[in-house]
Amino acid sequence: SQQGEEDPQALSIQEGENATMNCSYKTSINNLQWYRQNSGRGLVHLILIRSNEREKHSGRLRVTLDTSKKSSSLLITASRAADTASYFCATDPLSGNTPLVFGKGTRLSVIA
Amino acid sequence: EAQVTQNPRYLITVTGKKLTVTCSQNMNHEYMSWYRQDPGLGLRQIYYSMNVEVTDKGDVPEGYKVSRKEKRNFPLILESPSPNQTSLYFCASSVQGNPDTQYFGPGTRLTVL
Repeated sequence: SQQGEEDPQALSIQEGENATMNCSYKTSINNLQWYRQNSGRGLVHLILIRSNEREKHSGRLRVTLDTSKKSSSLLITASRAADTASYFCATDPLSGNTPLVFGKGTRLSVIA
Repeated sequence: EAQVTQNPRYLITVTGKKLTVTCSQNMNHEYMSWYRQDPGLGLRQIYYSMNVEVTDKGDVPEGYKVSRKEKRNFPLILESPSPNQTSLYFCASSVQGNPDTQYFGPGTRLTVL
């Protein structure tokens, strides 16, 4: 099945810096979602961007979607130590009742 | 409080001993799903359910069973667990019949010896 691929696999930044994570996918989608996971815990939905949207904001989060390149990016501005987590993109494929497909995630470490 | 609950949270068992991991949601969601998460492999879907009595295989259904007799519950059954089913399991639910914003349970860490 298709799978979103996050890039980079791991990212380490200083507190206050911006963090950018990318996601690429293979087939046409209805929407793309970003989730956050603290170590060993359940995923928490962050933001959903639909295929007809190009950019979306939520607090310090900014998500872009380029359907022509089949890619999305998640930008976290002014990062905090509490942003340390793994971030996953998930795609909702356009074809039929196909389940959400998650990528393998980007591990973000924000150093105080 | 709107939530997805899973039980047990931690389980150590032996090969071949049948077990059930329960999942319950109180949000009247139609869609429920089970995932397993393994290092380097991300989340992989095991089974999902669009509504009561409607279940479908995900990417890795072998060795698992599910049932959806009630809207709120979606138990995961391992009839004969094997060590390769040692993993972190998540249940999730969402409002619509197609996957939308998913709400995840806290996870069940299963070890099969």
